[in-house]
Amino acid sequence: GAVVSQHPSRVICKSGTSVKIECRSLDFQATTMFWYRQFPKKSLMLMATSNEGSKATYEQGVEKDKFLINHASLTLSTLTVTSAHPEDSSFYICSALSRAAVNTDTQYFGPGTRLTVL
Amino acid sequence: GESVGLHLPTLSVQEGDNSIINCAYSNSASDYFIWYKQESGKGPQFIIDIRSNMDKRQGQRVTVLLNKTVKHLSLQIAATQPGDSAVYFCAENIGGGKSTFGDGTTLTVKP
Repeated sequence: GAVVSQHPSRVICKSGTSVKIECRSLDFQATTMFWYRQFPKKSLMLMATSNEGSKATYEQGVEKDKFLINHASLTLSTLTVTSAHPEDSSFYICSALSRAAVNTDTQYFGPGTRLTVL
Repeated sequence: GESVGLHLPTLSVQEGDNSIINCAYSNSASDYFIWYKQESGKGPQFIIDIRSNMDKRQGQRVTVLLNKTVKHLSLQIAATQPGDSAVYFCAENIGGGKSTFGDGTTLTVKP
């Protein structure tokens, strides 16, 4: 149980285009999902907290107009990187908190999406 | 005096030996801590967790120790195997389910 998927697993796009990444909780409902960014050989940096049915909360320094987050259902959150540039190239990882779990602090992570902007 | 383990970015051990990975956390109010394993190109995988009302917790081949006095966390892996080679992160829960991740330690197991 507690499986989180991401799609696509990797994407290459041209500079200036927008890319949408999906995060799905497959066997549980998630009222809260998180989006992280990870550079090579670095730790995970929290970008934003996505709550179902409400606006995302962004961490300091993360441009909300650049990284659009939508959490339209209890099993799906999307991250759209708008007008992508080469510096947006990174590994994007989502995680989800289970609504039904006794321990609601445990995050279940997706496999990540490798974004390369040419 | 009590020694506090240093965080090392890399750790190399021989197969079969025990591994100890250290982590220092920053927020004395954090009440929940997690260790994750991340293999190359994949998302983090939950290993073991511990709440602040405990100082030790054991799982299968893994033990987490928590020292709140010096804000230090360690992960002990018994009889380390090649499949344990990965990057290990500690994370502290900062409220609302949010976690802050440490810098990570790359564990390499030599056969």
